[in-house]
Amino acid sequence: DTGVSQDPRHKITKRGQNVTFRCDPISEHNRLYWYRQTLGQGPEFLTYFQNEAQLEKSRLLSDRFSAERPKGSFSTLEIQRTEQGDSAMYLCASSGRTATGELFFGEGSRLTVL
Amino acid sequence: GESVGLHLPTLSVQEGDNSIINCAYSNSASDYFIWYKQESGKGPQFIIDIRSNMDKRQGQRVTVLLNKTVKHLSLQIAATQPGDSAVYFCAEKQGNYQLIWGAGTKLIIKP
Repeated sequence: DTGVSQDPRHKITKRGQNVTFRCDPISEHNRLYWYRQTLGQGPEFLTYFQNEAQLEKSRLLSDRFSAERPKGSFSTLEIQRTEQGDSAMYLCASSGRTATGELFFGEGSRLTVL
Repeated sequence: GESVGLHLPTLSVQEGDNSIINCAYSNSASDYFIWYKQESGKGPQFIIDIRSNMDKRQGQRVTVLLNKTVKHLSLQIAATQPGDSAVYFCAEKQGNYQLIWGAGTKLIIKP
């Protein structure tokens, strides 16, 4: 399978704990995005990387959230001191060099904060 | 602020009939729109896009119509099949990188 892969698929944690999600984009894609989706809603943009550079961050991304893409390949999204409101599906997507809206999404990492 | 919204949360269609999913947007300066399909437990999947210099664009069994006068776009699916059951989102490109998504319409196919 050469699509976008995310790990873990499901994470249950207690409030206050830290969690980290990993995304492996399609190998030839240089653009990588993180979105958050809650039940019944459309995805909300969190952040964007072009190669290893984080070019845009949403104001939704509080200081408890940090994302990295150190070598321009895989990316990690860390949430520190999780809160119940962080419970959501965290979606990663990648795209090629053309700036269209065609993003290739992974199946997401579902976070439940108890 | 700008937003993209959908008229109906759920649409039930008889198998074989055509489906029409509607979407309204508020930013008249928007120049690029995309439709995505999301099946249960999966990430969104690109269906079709349209730029504001077009009124209509066709793909395989799908057509997107854009009416800039009333800031409305629609997705038409011909001969709806069981595999079309999903939530459909319209999205609007904002800036260079962001997509602003509506809340989605759930399409239910009746046998």
